[in-house]
Amino acid sequence: KNQVEQSPQSLIILEGKNCTLQCNYTVSPFSNLRWYKQDTGRGPVSLTIMTFSENTKSNGRYTATLDADTKQSSLHITASQLSDSASYICVVSALRPREKLTFGTGTRLTIIP
Amino acid sequence: SQTIHQWPATLVQPVGSPLSLECTVEGTSNPNLYWYRQAAGRGLQLLFYSVGIGQISSEVPQNLSASRPQDRQFILSSKKLLLSDSGFYLCAWKIRAGTGVGGYTFGSGTRLTVV
Repeated sequence: KNQVEQSPQSLIILEGKNCTLQCNYTVSPFSNLRWYKQDTGRGPVSLTIMTFSENTKSNGRYTATLDADTKQSSLHITASQLSDSASYICVVSALRPREKLTFGTGTRLTIIP
Repeated sequence: SQTIHQWPATLVQPVGSPLSLECTVEGTSNPNLYWYRQAAGRGLQLLFYSVGIGQISSEVPQNLSASRPQDRQFILSSKKLLLSDSGFYLCAWKIRAGTGVGGYTFGSGTRLTVV
């Protein structure tokens, strides 16, 4: 069964600090992995998309890594800002029989001043 | 540029009443369209997807139905709402052509509360 597990479930950090969110998956056959940011009461917004051959991808202060061998991904946020407070969702895509997404339950990140 | 509109943003409906949520996409043609539901503490669950007008695939058995009367319009409906239909509903689109690496763009969501 395809699964995506994220940790921690929630995280509180001080503004300006860095943090790393984890994603472990058991999705096969693996196609790509996405990280989304979802503000409360809003739809998810894409941060990064990584395929099997990509180990790291950055989007401003967000850097995602992917280890396809261990089936792990991380999202590192540098110099956090209050606006980073949101849920971060890891989404893994399988390609066959058609593209199908498996969503993690997300990490709820709160940045405090 | 492509945009996706979803409405209403919030909705409170009594049990047994009908439902109609609408989603429209602008700036693209022949998109794949999706309806997801997000329950508290759970990942997004795919309800329906459509690869073209009148083509609807259902992922899970449920009290809801979907229709695609136009290329860029996707509607989620119910004849009689249940309490268990409460949740956060998200519409999404994706470019149909090409590989699976393309991004999914989500609407802003509808918070449905069935009372």
